[in-house]
Amino acid sequence: EVQLVESGGGLIQPGGSLRLSCAASGFTVSSNYMSWVRQAPGKGLEWVSVIYSGGSTYYADSVKGRFTISRDNSKNTLYLQMNSLRAEDTAVYYCARESGGIDYWGQGTLVTVSS
Amino acid sequence: EIVMTQSPATLSVSPGERATLSCRASQSVSSNLAWYQQKPGQAPRLLIYGASTRATGIPARFSGSGSGTEFTLTISSLQSEDFAVYYCQQYNNWPKTFGQGTKVEIK
Repeated sequence: EVQLVESGGGLIQPGGSLRLSCAASGFTVSSNYMSWVRQAPGKGLEWVSVIYSGGSTYYADSVKGRFTISRDNSKNTLYLQMNSLRAEDTAVYYCARESGGIDYWGQGTLVTVSS
Repeated sequence: EIVMTQSPATLSVSPGERATLSCRASQSVSSNLAWYQQKPGQAPRLLIYGASTRATGIPARFSGSGSGTEFTLTISSLQSEDFAVYYCQQYNNWPKTFGQGTKVEIK
């Protein structure tokens, strides 16, 4: 059974850093396209970043230069390092597997950026 | 960036009726279009990919059509569990943009 379990969210002050983790089971992270998608409270969905099976990475303009997506193949885990956090980064962050659209989503982890 | 525009923003439908949701892309995305359903407090669920292919386990009352810039999600006979927010998303170009959502509510 495919499962994605995020962790690492919480309350952080503006300018701070946070690292989100997504532990995957039932498939191999490195063989798939893996993404982070976020949803601000009461708002729609925003694609944040993707890492392809070959290792290429892409970022939304809103996070480019501040966020870094990576994976640990030995742990079958996806990460999102978030630096220089802003109030507008407040959202539920979903880990997701892409296969012609996103076929599996994690339960989400809430990141709140506030002083 | 490709802008995805969904209409209407809210659709009021009675159970058993047909619902038709629209999604328009600002430029062609070929058939690289997915539809998702999201209920409060839950992660989205994939309904349709490739514009018209139902995802695993999705009931036949959900159907998708279109290509290029115009797409439609049809729910043939609304069940109580179908009242939710629906998003379209193109995955033809990076960034892979979502529409703003259509809320299907009980009439």
